[in-house]
Amino acid sequence: GQQLNQSPQSMFIQEGEDVSMNCTSSSIFNTWLWYKQEPGEGPVLLIALYKAGELTSNGRLTAQFGITRKDSFLNISASIPSDVGIYFCAGVDNAGNMLTFGGGTRLMVKP
Amino acid sequence: GAGVSQSPSNKVTEKGKDVELRCDPISGHTALYWYRQSLGQGLEFLIYFQGNSAPDKSGLPSDRFSAERTGGSVSTLTIQRTQQEDSAVYLCASSLALGTGAYEQYFGPGTRLTVT
Repeated sequence: GQQLNQSPQSMFIQEGEDVSMNCTSSSIFNTWLWYKQEPGEGPVLLIALYKAGELTSNGRLTAQFGITRKDSFLNISASIPSDVGIYFCAGVDNAGNMLTFGGGTRLMVKP
Repeated sequence: GAGVSQSPSNKVTEKGKDVELRCDPISGHTALYWYRQSLGQGLEFLIYFQGNSAPDKSGLPSDRFSAERTGGSVSTLTIQRTQQEDSAVYLCASSLALGTGAYEQYFGPGTRLTVT
């Protein structure tokens, strides 16, 4: 099946730093989604992207749908301790199949 | 409530026993999904329901796993003769059937299953 490669697997940063993580695929995706999962909770949808090149912000979060349609990135500006969690990318391929999830990026923020 | 709800939140069972996990999707969402997440890992797709269509069971790991969705709403995931490797968090998600929202899955808090 489809696979999404998400990197980095984990990040340990200082509060106030900006964060960038990305997701790549070997095939074209039509939709990219980014989720955040906090300990003991289910993933929460952060941003949905539907057009190649689309750049969408949600507060301090910005995500982009890569122009090649094979990648997406998520940036978090001025990180704060509550940004801690696992961030998952997810995508829908050209055949309109169900969401494929990346392996997640575990973010840790040092106050 | 407005979100996806799951029960129980935690379940501890002895090896060999059967368990049932319940999911209440968001009202109006006709698509429902079950995933399994082992500790510190990503999401493993289990099964997908869409309206009255036959479910997509392609992700079920063995015939000990089954799921039902009654009346197009509530779903129950059943694991028979549980094994220790079944220990994980079981997540349910729902989404709209059509339109761009069809791909936006909304997750419940999960049921943490521990098999001793």
